[in-house]
Amino acid sequence: AQSVAQPEDQVNVAEGNPLTVKCTYSVSGNPYLFWYVQYPNRGLQFLLKYITGDNLVKGSYGFEAEFNKSQTSFHLKKPSALVSDSALYFCAVRGEGGSQGNLIFGKGTKLSVKP
Amino acid sequence: GAGVSQTPSNKVTEKGKYVELRCDPISGHTALYWYRQSLGQGPEFLIYFQGTGAADDSGLPNDRFFAVRPEGSVSTLKIQRTERGDSAVYLCASSLRAEAFSGANVLTFGAGSRLTVL
Repeated sequence: AQSVAQPEDQVNVAEGNPLTVKCTYSVSGNPYLFWYVQYPNRGLQFLLKYITGDNLVKGSYGFEAEFNKSQTSFHLKKPSALVSDSALYFCAVRGEGGSQGNLIFGKGTKLSVKP
Repeated sequence: GAGVSQTPSNKVTEKGKYVELRCDPISGHTALYWYRQSLGQGPEFLIYFQGTGAADDSGLPNDRFFAVRPEGSVSTLKIQRTERGDSAVYLCASSLRAEAFSGANVLTFGAGSRLTVL
């Protein structure tokens, strides 16, 4: 069965410091991996995805994520956090043979960036 | 439209009542998805349409839930005999159909319909 784990309910970072939001996954076959962000009262917004190729994926708003097959991880990173990055972040996975619609989401990690 | 539109944004109903939630996807997006997000959880897949037909409805929790997309654009999620446990935010998303790496389609989500069953 496919699954995603986000081990941290909340991550606190000072503005200007690097941030990491962790994600591990379990899937049959090669994974398609995604990060979405959710701001209050707004829909989930796509940040980045990994399909194949380079393990380091760059996305919107200066975010990047590193795919690590041996550790089955896809951690989200940003070199310098902004207060405006404070939001709820979701990691999601779909297996290679899985239904196109059935994207499995983690429970989310709340990122809080303090000035 | 410019984005995925969902109505109503908020719905409060009584246990046992019937509810309809509407989703208007991005123009030209052939794929449409419904997810449900309970408090403190990530979105949970319900059903996926490719055109007018449901390509995968494996996430619908029981036969009280039903969704339609009769003309391949607007979709309606219908919940019969609502229960308190149905309270959640119902999210709709749409995407283009990619010819390659179809599993990597990016979903564009609406703001959701918050359903509260009293």
